[in-house]
Amino acid sequence: KNQVEQSPQSLIILEGKNCTLQCNYTVSPFSNLRWYKQDTGRGPVSLTIMTFSENTKSNGRYTATLDADTKQSSLHITASQLSDSASYICVVSGGYNKLIFGAGTRLAVHP
Amino acid sequence: EPEVTQTPSHQVTQMGQEVILRCVPISNHLYFYWYRQILGQKVEFLVSFYNNEISEKSEIFDDQFSVERPDGSNFTLKIRSTKLEDSAMYFCASSENWTGENYEQYFGPGTRLTVT
Repeated sequence: KNQVEQSPQSLIILEGKNCTLQCNYTVSPFSNLRWYKQDTGRGPVSLTIMTFSENTKSNGRYTATLDADTKQSSLHITASQLSDSASYICVVSGGYNKLIFGAGTRLAVHP
Repeated sequence: EPEVTQTPSHQVTQMGQEVILRCVPISNHLYFYWYRQILGQKVEFLVSFYNNEISEKSEIFDDQFSVERPDGSNFTLKIRSTKLEDSAMYFCASSENWTGENYEQYFGPGTRLTVT
C-alpha cells in the first residue's frame, strides 16, 4: 500500500533555531517527492520538488534531501522565523497524476 | 502572480442536498485536480482531469461525485447527495503538465464544506 509517514508529528522550536523534519515513503511507482508548507485553513504551497536522481534541493532557508535507496527524505529549516509556523507536508508523486500526502509535521516557532 | 481561486470559501448545506464547488484554475494550465482534507487529517486525492475527461480517480471519488469543466475557465466538483462525512476542506489544484514530469501543482485556498 502506498504510504508516506512523517515525524515528528509536532515540533516546537525557538525563533532563530534550526530544525529537521523527516519523511519515509513506500510509494510505487515513484516519480518525485515534494515538500509543501500549509498554513492553517489555507492550501498547500510548494517548497521543493525532487526526482529520484536528486539528493538535495534548496529554496531559501529550506533544504530538502532525498535518499531514494532508503526511501527517506528530510526538510531542514535554517534560522527559523515566526512565519515558519505551519504544517510541513511530504508528498510523493506516484503514478500518472496522483499526489500521496503525508500527515504533516506541525511546526510552532516561538519568540 | 497567477493563482487558483475557489468559491465559495465556506458552504453550509443539509444532508442529502447537492452542492457544487467552483474553481478557476491558472489560465494556461491543462491539468486540474480536486483534493479533500477532513479536519485534522491528511490531504487526500480525489480526481485529476485532463482534456475534458477524468484521468485518474481515488476510491473516495464514487458515484456521488462528478467533475466538469463547463466553460474555458471554471472547473467544478459536484456532490450529488451530501453526507455528514463529506464535511471537509476541498482544495482545487492545477498544473501546466502532468506531475510525473515534476510540474508544480498550484493549490487554491479551499472551500470549507459543512454538512449538517
